[in-house]
Amino acid sequence: AQKITQTQPGMFVQEKEAVTLDCTYDTSDQSYGLFWYKQPSSGEMIFLIYQGSYDEQNATEGRYSLNFQKARKSANLVISASQLGDSAMYFCAGPNNAGNMLTFGGGTRLMVKP
Amino acid sequence: DTEVTQTPKHLVMGMTNKKSLKCEQHMGHRAMYWYKQKAKKPPELMFVYSYEKLSINESVPSRFSPECPNSSLLNLHLHALQPEDSALYLCASSRGLTGKYGNTIYFGEGSWLTVV
Repeated sequence: AQKITQTQPGMFVQEKEAVTLDCTYDTSDQSYGLFWYKQPSSGEMIFLIYQGSYDEQNATEGRYSLNFQKARKSANLVISASQLGDSAMYFCAGPNNAGNMLTFGGGTRLMVKP
Repeated sequence: DTEVTQTPKHLVMGMTNKKSLKCEQHMGHRAMYWYKQKAKKPPELMFVYSYEKLSINESVPSRFSPECPNSSLLNLHLHALQPEDSALYLCASSRGLTGKYGNTIYFGEGSWLTVV
């Protein structure tokens, strides 16, 4: 993707509720993929989920799922049943056109309220 | 637990010091990366190694010197740094160069660097 955009700098969600984090991308490629990472305050960047453009079903990993809409060029992350430990920065990322590096969005800080 | 190990976790160094950050992975990955991340910003790519050869240098100042001794190890040598170089340095690896084929990049826990 040439550009990744995350429009929500910060979000609050009540514990046990679901939350959607937005990500839009801009690419001229026919084949591409989007990644989501979680970064707690400790600093580690944790891989959450990936979906390729040719995948027919939306990707799911435990409480994480991707709502991938190619026509809208969006790849939103849905977290179900939020937990306090979900409080972190979340980054959407995709490969550049050359396919040799990741382009990151600006990130969304998610805060889960007890 | 991450399979990319970075040491040290925290480093404080003076502007005249020479230090190194170390990174190790045992996943058999052939691409390794150094990223720099400032507070409240996304990571910025510094260097990419592919099959132990430097593939990408994102115009990084020469005071940062990467080294890839073998396919499992990646070092970042630091010399004559400036206070503005203080940041979180993330090492990462992937099976091949990330791209259109879903080669996931796996990151380490990062090294917090403070230059005084």
